[in-house]
Amino acid sequence: GNSVTQMEGPVTLSEEAFLTINCTYTATGYPSLFWYVQYPGEGLQLLLKATKADDKGSNKGFEATYRKETTSFHLEKGSVQVSDSAVYFCAPDRGSTLGRLYFGRGTQLTVWP
Amino acid sequence: DSGVTQTPKHLITATGQRVTLRCSPRSGDLSVYWYQQSLDQGLQFLIQYYNGEERAKGNILERFSAQQFPDLHSELNLSSLELGDSALYFCASNQGEGGRETQYFGPGTRLLVL
Repeated sequence: GNSVTQMEGPVTLSEEAFLTINCTYTATGYPSLFWYVQYPGEGLQLLLKATKADDKGSNKGFEATYRKETTSFHLEKGSVQVSDSAVYFCAPDRGSTLGRLYFGRGTQLTVWP
Repeated sequence: DSGVTQTPKHLITATGQRVTLRCSPRSGDLSVYWYQQSLDQGLQFLIQYYNGEERAKGNILERFSAQQFPDLHSELNLSSLELGDSALYFCASNQGEGGRETQYFGPGTRLLVL
């Protein structure tokens, strides 16, 4: 089955620093790729997604590019804010008509003012 | 607000007991997914229902079962509870059977087994 390896946290940054969270996946099919974010005490929210190779997903200043050749979907943001403090999950789907997600362990990000 | 609702928000019970978690999907969504989030296992897919029928099964224990009703709400039943079942249980929904679609998550039910 599919699996995902995500950069271990916690990641601690100062406000306005550059963020990268690495994500690589293994897949038997051709998955769509998702980044979800979980703020303290809340459920998961979609941050961005990409459905085919070389697609770039972007939202709220975050970006990730679907790299089929390296099976990666790294999350980046040029200038983080305190409000970005959360847990970030990389999640490929099954790459078929069935939509279950395979989640990484999550990366805790803390941004200090 | 994702539009997915889950009840109850918190549940405290004892080992050996049985509980039912409820999920109402977004209006118009036919698929419901259940996930378990625990410290040791992370986020794991349990089961998916589409329009009342089971579509996919993940790491769901035999002590757990789920169903989706004609009004599309879903219930996850956990029985013979053990300490290790303490976790956050999320449901998610989307319109189709799922591939390539965003899943919208509820706020979760936090289960504590004492």
